[in-house]
Amino acid sequence: KNEVEQSPQNLTAQEGEFITINCSYSVGISALHWLQQHPGGGIVSLFMLSSGKKKHGRLIATINIQEKHSSLHITASHPRDSAVYICAVVQNTGNQFYFGTGTSLTVIP
Amino acid sequence: DAGITQSPRHKVTETGTPVTLRCHQTENHRYMYWYRQDPGHGLRLIHYSYGVKDTDKGEVSDGYSVSRSKTEDFLLTLESATSSQTSVYFCAISGVADTQYFGPGTRLTVL
Repeated sequence: KNEVEQSPQNLTAQEGEFITINCSYSVGISALHWLQQHPGGGIVSLFMLSSGKKKHGRLIATINIQEKHSSLHITASHPRDSAVYICAVVQNTGNQFYFGTGTSLTVIP
Repeated sequence: DAGITQSPRHKVTETGTPVTLRCHQTENHRYMYWYRQDPGHGLRLIHYSYGVKDTDKGEVSDGYSVSRSKTEDFLLTLESATSSQTSVYFCAISGVADTQYFGPGTRLTVL
């Protein structure tokens, strides 16, 4: 049983395309995180959300608490956006994190 | 970048030997975590700590123990390594209800 499900698992896009990655979760949460894992393995936090929407550069993250769903959007995608994007939730009964298996994104020039 | 390091970064060991991985932070964060990452599973929590000498188990804690004798260090020990413990291990830190910062990872191979 996976508390966090992501889709799609793999995604290939042409440079410039608008990209959406989806995350659904089954537990009550206090926050949701989007992480980026580079091909070299390092993991970087992109966003932490508890409601609404956040924007950072070409990245936009939204969350719908009632529907237990979040999306990560990348506008004007670029080859340097190629990475694995991971959704993680913090359960509201403690400080434990649950992670999705990630979406592998490849942006082709 | 958050001040978090892991050592060693790579290790090859034999089945049955003890292994200790170290996570060191300079951020004075309360929470520290050990995860393993395997293909098809994503990141899975092994153990976490919510203060000095305060630790708790995660979803894949069997075969692992941890210790935190001071705020900045969190040790993960494999008492008797098995091939199923071959993985990439990540340490992470966070404040209360805060984002997590990840270390660079340790690639462990158990032969």
